[in-house]
Amino acid sequence: EVQLVESGGGLVQPGGSLRLSCAASGFAFNGHWMNWVRQAPGKGLEWVAIIKEDGSEKYYVDSVKGRFTISRDNAQKSLHLQMNSLRAEDTAVYYCVRSAVVWSLDMWGQGTMVTVSP
Amino acid sequence: ESVMTQTPLSLSVTPGQPASISCKSSQSLLHSSGNTYLHWYLQKPGQSPHLLIYEVSNRFSGVPDRFSGSGSGTDFTLKISRVEVEDVGVYYCMQTTQAPYTFGQGTKLEIK
Repeated sequence: EVQLVESGGGLVQPGGSLRLSCAASGFAFNGHWMNWVRQAPGKGLEWVAIIKEDGSEKYYVDSVKGRFTISRDNAQKSLHLQMNSLRAEDTAVYYCVRSAVVWSLDMWGQGTMVTVSP
Repeated sequence: ESVMTQTPLSLSVTPGQPASISCKSSQSLLHSSGNTYLHWYLQKPGQSPHLLIYEVSNRFSGVPDRFSGSGSGTDFTLKISRVEVEDVGVYYCMQTTQAPYTFGQGTKLEIK
């Protein structure tokens, strides 16, 4: 079964750090760019970051540049998001999402909740 | 950055009736490759989003043919020919022509 399973969410204080992980299965992980997309409570979707198949290219939304780092381990079929200097506005469900060959986001995980609060 | 603007933000439709959602981008979404990377997603209540339409007009695997997409450049439309109860949720357009990728605000579809 093709699947993406996120983990690592939780409650963290402002200024703190958290590392999200995503375990992929059922497809050739090293053949796809991978993304993180987030959704604040009751709000719309916001694309956060993307990483190339081999990890050689990474792009971020401006609001997380310098604070978040996307990475991957193709041997372990895993995607990660290291989040530092967290702010209240980073509170959201974070989805691990696969990019298709035609650049649509064609497979989504169930999401992991990150809450930044004192 | 391409700003994506959806209208309407909500609509209430009687089952069997059509529905249409507009998505306008602040910049042309035509990529240098000749492709237009405008996609549509549906997020049903309590679920993760899923892909409906990719590259303007291509239905994703398993998507019913009552869903169709059209448009070019900066103006795009998602149409549902006959709304069914299971179509409730929030519809998002999204562009992946240039980073940062951006979503529309979402259009909430309700059933009358």
